[in-house]
Amino acid sequence: GDSVTQMEGPVTLSEEAFLTINCTYTATGYPSLFWYVQYPGEGLQLLLKATKADDKGSNKGFEATYRKETTSFHLEKGSVQVSDSAVYFCALNEWDFNKFYFGSGTKLNVKP
Amino acid sequence: DTGVSQDPRHKITKRGQNVTFRCDPISEHNRLYWYRQTLGQGPEFLTYFQNEAQLEKSRLLSDRFSAERPKGSFSTLEIQRTEQGDSAMYLCASSPPRDGRQTMAGANVLTFGAGSRLTVL
Repeated sequence: GDSVTQMEGPVTLSEEAFLTINCTYTATGYPSLFWYVQYPGEGLQLLLKATKADDKGSNKGFEATYRKETTSFHLEKGSVQVSDSAVYFCALNEWDFNKFYFGSGTKLNVKP
Repeated sequence: DTGVSQDPRHKITKRGQNVTFRCDPISEHNRLYWYRQTLGQGPEFLTYFQNEAQLEKSRLLSDRFSAERPKGSFSTLEIQRTEQGDSAMYLCASSPPRDGRQTMAGANVLTFGAGSRLTVL
């Protein structure tokens, strides 16, 4: 079945450091891939998405590229800020199905 | 539009009691989902509605759980005879209808509410 695996956290970085959060997936078809972010006390918010191989999703300085050959969708940001501290979830959804599959989340702590 | 609303935000109850959560989706969204999230985990799918029809239920949804979406607008999730293991965040999400012009390049994007946190003592 479909599943998402992402790196365990917490990840602790200093402000302006480079961020990578790894995500790999297993899917039977051609999924769309997502990164959602959850700030303390809030619901999940869509950060970025990609719908087909080699697509790059980007938003707020974050980027992720849909790599079909490695079944990966790693999240990157060149220079993190304290305000980026949150939990990040990788997710997939296949067109024919209505379920979304989420990874277990990676907590990011950014120190000033 | 105020987004997806969930009520209550927090519920503390004693084991054995019944609880009900309500979700008001974005008005033009015909698809509604319930997920459960426990500490340190990602959301787990519980059930899905398209308009008023409940089209899919997870095996996680025991007989004590029931969800409804009368008239295809708001939805309720009821848990009967709560157990300590039911303690979790219950998330509601909605998404817009697919139209005939969408292709596989279009993505089904979920908009989540802030969640209802249940604590069973």
